[in-house]
Amino acid sequence: NAGVTQTPKFQVLKTGQSMTLQCAQDMNHEYMSWYRQDPGMGLRLIHYSVGAGITDQGEVPNGYNVSRSTTEDFPLRLLSAAPSQTSVYFCASRTTGFGYTFGSGTRLTVV
Amino acid sequence: GENVEQHPSTLSVQEGDSAVIKCTYSDSASNYFPWYKQELGKGPQLIIDIRSNVGEKKDQRIAVTLNKTAKHFSLHITETQPEDSAVYFCAASIDTDKLIFGTGTRLQVFP
Repeated sequence: NAGVTQTPKFQVLKTGQSMTLQCAQDMNHEYMSWYRQDPGMGLRLIHYSVGAGITDQGEVPNGYNVSRSTTEDFPLRLLSAAPSQTSVYFCASRTTGFGYTFGSGTRLTVV
Repeated sequence: GENVEQHPSTLSVQEGDSAVIKCTYSDSASNYFPWYKQELGKGPQLIIDIRSNVGEKKDQRIAVTLNKTAKHFSLHITETQPEDSAVYFCAASIDTDKLIFGTGTRLQVFP
């Protein structure tokens, strides 16, 4: 198993550009989440999904969209990038009865 | 909503000593408390978790204790080794999915 795979690992965007952060897991996990990590603030939940076709908002959802068309994939879309979205983004997945496994992250810089 | 405070922010110990990191939470409905270890440039790794129906859980050199009345939980690492050096995050949630993280503790273990 590859676990949770995030692509790209690094990305630089200009303000106003859009992009999609990819997340895939090969463990047949039902639950998936996106977090952002900023210095001194820990990790904050952006969106999460309890299964294919079901998504919900977390603490900081503004400026981000998600969809869950398959069990394996949970992409995060930035609609119009802003400097405040400069962060490290982590995708995570879990199955019932177990805690989350995190990917290795995408470091995003918006200039 | 839930708020998690974590102390200390940095902790330095001599190899072989014990390390203790403490977290407090605000929402008495929280029932799941995981601890994550994050090494530089990597995603958080789940090292131990505890649910509210258990007061203590151990796994080799690490243990977590939970005091529901006081709404705090702690991570204990015994016989620390240089490879324990990392940033440790506590988290709390009501339903396992919407994790609220503390701000992290940077642990340094000196040989």
